[in-house]
Amino acid sequence: QSALTQPASVSGSPGQSITISCTGTSSDVGGYNYVSWYQQHPGKAPKLMIYDVTNRPSGVSNRFSGSKSGNTASLTISGLQAEDEADYYCSSYTSSSTLRVFGTGTKVTVL
Amino acid sequence: QLQLQESGPGLVKPSETLSLTCTVSGGSISSSRYYWGWIRQPPGKGLEWIGSIYYSGSTYYNPSLKSRVTISVDTSKNQFSLKVRSVTAADTAVYYCARISSGWYGPYDYWGQGTLVTVSS
Repeated sequence: QSALTQPASVSGSPGQSITISCTGTSSDVGGYNYVSWYQQHPGKAPKLMIYDVTNRPSGVSNRFSGSKSGNTASLTISGLQAEDEADYYCSSYTSSSTLRVFGTGTKVTVL
Repeated sequence: QLQLQESGPGLVKPSETLSLTCTVSGGSISSSRYYWGWIRQPPGKGLEWIGSIYYSGSTYYNPSLKSRVTISVDTSKNQFSLKVRSVTAADTAVYYCARISSGWYGPYDYWGQGTLVTVSS
């Protein structure tokens, strides 16, 4: 089972909205609503931003939102801020033998 | 506030066994609501799921590592542990422990700070 596919990098100016895609298959992203998203700043542990495709944990800004269409999940960051500059990873349950899979990761740059 | 802390040697020789412990504070590892997991990240690379454990001892492993990995739990100490046998340089990574909510496949909602383990002679 290969990692879920994410763009290597996405950039935007402060205040803009950006979207990060996470493409899998019908065995993972497309087949189940168990997609989560993590933010990771350099040298820090990942932080849960979105779970079960669209749900935001308590304390996470409502500027972060998740969605899914077919085999592709997406994380949208609206009103982009300097503090949003980080790496972002998606993750999903998979019915393949791998059981769980992470995305390849996306570096978000705030211009 | 729940906290997780990884501990163990930062340097392991090739072919030996990597052993790490995650100590949970601010909550009980015996809660029926949660699983507990290990994730690793090689320097400059992405995240890799290693495995998950329930307080009862039920485990799930990444098939690519299953033959070399054992995860165990000690509820009396509120800890769970990771062993990776026959390590090579490819096992060099930051190792994270984390809490999993909503079943073993659920999201990792609390993470330890991570510990770098280097495999080198």
